Amino acid sequence: DAGVIQSPRHEVTEMGQEVTLRCKLISGHNSLFWYRQTMMRGLELLIYFNNNVPIDDSGMPEDRFSAKMPNASFSTLKIQPSEPRDSAVYFCASSFRPNNEQFFGPGTRLTVL
Amino acid sequence: GIQVEQSPPDLILQEGANSTLRCNFSDSVNNLQWFHQNPWGQLINLFYIPSGTKQNGRLSATTVATERYSLLYISSSQTTDSGVYFCAVLDSNYQLIWGAGTKLIIKP
Repeated sequence: DAGVIQSPRHEVTEMGQEVTLRCKLISGHNSLFWYRQTMMRGLELLIYFNNNVPIDDSGMPEDRFSAKMPNASFSTLKIQPSEPRDSAVYFCASSFRPNNEQFFGPGTRLTVL
Repeated sequence: GIQVEQSPPDLILQEGANSTLRCNFSDSVNNLQWFHQNPWGQLINLFYIPSGTKQNGRLSATTVATERYSLLYISSSQTTDSGVYFCAVLDSNYQLIWGAGTKLIIKP
């Protein structure tokens, strides 16, 4: 059984460009979490969905960030326009329910120049 | 909110040694996970252990929920065990609260 799949694994872009990160959940999981990891702040929850519905987006830094779940198995995190301070590793995780064990994807390393 | 503290922050051992990593949390929790972040940055699930004891090969973990701590034991360390070990607990808003991690270096 495949784990959480993220793409791209690495992304280098210039300030002002739009960035879209993608995540495929583990089959049968209903909860999806987006995290960001930086040296300064560690791992931070950005947003989580349950049954395709955004439940808590209080961690989303600002309006430049948006996340969607167009179907039960797929999610996107979009940054528009991107800024150098958005450089980080972005992880997606899924679980069967919000209070169950979370499984993480390999992450997307984003560099904004 | 819940506070999660891990100790020690850094640990350097020779291959073959045993180690114990500790995680203290400030409130009762329903979910506690241990992760290994390898040198390539991948977060690998080690244990989902809100209470009790579990073992997986050379690794084992114990959570004493009533006393608000969890321990991760690594026996017969190998160089591939190097990396950062995180403890994370789930708060009432279903948010994982992370400890700062223990950075483990295993020397050959």
